[in-house]
Amino acid sequence: NAGVTQTPKFQVLKTGQSMTLQCAQDMNHNSMYWYRQDPGMGLRLIYYSASEGTTDKGEVPNGYNVSRLNKREFSLRLESAAPSQTSVYFCASRRDRGQYEQYFGPGTRLTVT
Amino acid sequence: AQKITQTQPGMFVQEKEAVTLDCTYDTSDPSYGLFWYKQPSSGEMIFLIYQGSYDQQNATEGRYSLNFQKARKSANLVISASQLGDSAMYFCAMSPGSYNTDKLIFGTGTRLQVFP
Repeated sequence: NAGVTQTPKFQVLKTGQSMTLQCAQDMNHNSMYWYRQDPGMGLRLIYYSASEGTTDKGEVPNGYNVSRLNKREFSLRLESAAPSQTSVYFCASRRDRGQYEQYFGPGTRLTVT
Repeated sequence: AQKITQTQPGMFVQEKEAVTLDCTYDTSDPSYGLFWYKQPSSGEMIFLIYQGSYDQQNATEGRYSLNFQKARKSANLVISASQLGDSAMYFCAMSPGSYNTDKLIFGTGTRLQVFP
């Protein structure tokens, strides 16, 4: 049981490049989330998916797209990376049905130059 | 709009002592959830404790307790008998519902350092 896994762990992009951050969970959770954490700040929600086939915007969705590929996987895509997207990205999941807490992956550190 | 405020950027505590980390929140909704997460230097986010707005008693999980004062809109985390491994960043967070806890809003965190 690996919990929530994220790939890659580190990535450096040039401005304008695109990339997809991958997230998978093996806990049979219904809901999945993408957050970003900037220095000196708490996490901010980018997008979330309450169930397979549905996605909703969070607090800071601009510049990102997401895909809930199946129940296990939730990817985050940067179509044209900008230096302002330099951050640590966390994926999380939650079972629903009486489980309140979200379980987080180890994070992806992204630098856009 | 909902907001979480953590006013202590850093705290020091001696091993085996208790420490309180402050958190205040702002919402006009009657239903909400309050969370505390720990982030060690390794970077992962670890769930510690949850309190629903309708819960009558303060939540406790081992050495962690949440001092919930609804009228003051505060949700302070109390760590009893601090250990060196408690040194980490601690984040208070809030959800707009006490059952639907999708949209978490996080505070800026408090860095706790435990010394021998």
